[in-house]
Order: sequence, then structure tokens, then C-alpha cells
Amino acid sequence: DADVTQTPRNRITKTGKRIMLECSQTKGHDRMYWYRQDPGLGLRLIYYSFDVKDINKGEISDGYSVSRQAQAKFSLSLESAIPNQTALYFCATSPHPASGRDEQFFGPGTRLTVL
Amino acid sequence: KQEVTQIPAALSVPEGENLVLNCSFTDSAIYNLQWFRQDPGKGLTSLLLIQSSQREQTSGRLNASLDKSSGRSTLYIAASQPGDSATYLCALMDTGRRALTFGSGTRLQVQP
Repeated sequence: DADVTQTPRNRITKTGKRIMLECSQTKGHDRMYWYRQDPGLGLRLIYYSFDVKDINKGEISDGYSVSRQAQAKFSLSLESAIPNQTALYFCATSPHPASGRDEQFFGPGTRLTVL
Repeated sequence: KQEVTQIPAALSVPEGENLVLNCSFTDSAIYNLQWFRQDPGKGLTSLLLIQSSQREQTSGRLNASLDKSSGRSTLYIAASQPGDSATYLCALMDTGRRALTFGSGTRLQVQP
């Protein structure tokens, strides 16, 4: 079973629609992250969360919101989708720094197309 | 703000060649550096992680080096195989947020 799962894997929607992307993990990690990947631009940080009560904006948070429903679940919402939010979205987790390992583990990605 | 550059953007080599992928970064105050592999339509697979205090890491045919003073990392792939064909991403973890800043990747094609 995958340690970090994302749903849906693919989604096509229309401009103005509200969309939620979900991420779940069974790794028991405290920290969770949302990134987006555009062709030729690498991955960029949208939001990150150190625990259920600690949520922080990344470099490109405008137009997005997040919810950390539990340690294992971190959702990304697009309140009113626009075409330039078409991208590949990745969720990642990492353990608490006290563990001594700050490696990030990525989900399989969600391909979102906004028409 | 950390900026990460990967050169070349694309590389095509015949099977069996040894090759080097390059990653340069502007801020040496990093926590660690990770090299990832990404196959088309797939997620990211972590290949190697180098802590800030380390100089290199090895895993099988892969060797990654880190030189913070010059802001450079290299990924060396020995005896390349067609199965190595993928995009290779370099990512730096900052010391505060522990988030990753990625380069745009090197797309590698190994010809049989």
C-alpha cells in the first residue's frame, strides 16, 4: 500500500468551480506539504503544515486554501478555479526534525486541468 | 530567496556511458539536498539525500556530491542503462520551514 495517497489522480473542471484535492498518509509524519509542478518550472511550494494547528503559506498560496483535518490528512482547495491553475499537484510528508531525518516523501500527484 | 539551476535541461547518451548532472544553488544555508527521479506521469522517487554536513552519498550506480562553498551538487550515474531514462530533480531543504526548493530538472534519455 502507498504511504502517501492523493485523490483524485486526474480532474478536469471549469473556470469558477470549487475543487478540493485530498492527501492522506500512513507514515505517521507530522509535517505535510502541497506543491505544484508546471512544465519547465519545477515544483513550487503552495502551503505547508507542521501539525494540525500550524498551517503556513508558501511562495504561491494566492488562490488556494488548505485544511489539516487530522495528522494524516491535508486537503488543498481552489475556491474558484482559473485556467492558470492547470498543473500537477503533489502532496509530501516528512517526519518531525527530532527524528533526525528530514527526507520528504511524495504522493503520486494529481493532474488538474481547468478549462 | 533560494534559486536552484540544473544544467543541462536535457541530455541524451548511449547506453553504458557514465554521466554527470549538475545542480547549482544561490544560498548555502541549507539543511539538506535531495536528488529525485520522476518518470513521465508519475510521482517523485527519492534517490539520495545529503545532509548539510556531508560531502557525498552513494547508492548503487549513483553518487551525489555537495559543495556548499561553491553552491554546487552533482549526480554521477555510472554505466547508464535505458531504465535510467527519466527526469532528475535537485531540491534544497531550507533550515526554517524545512520545505524544498526545486530546480527545473534534467531530462535524461539513455539510448539502447
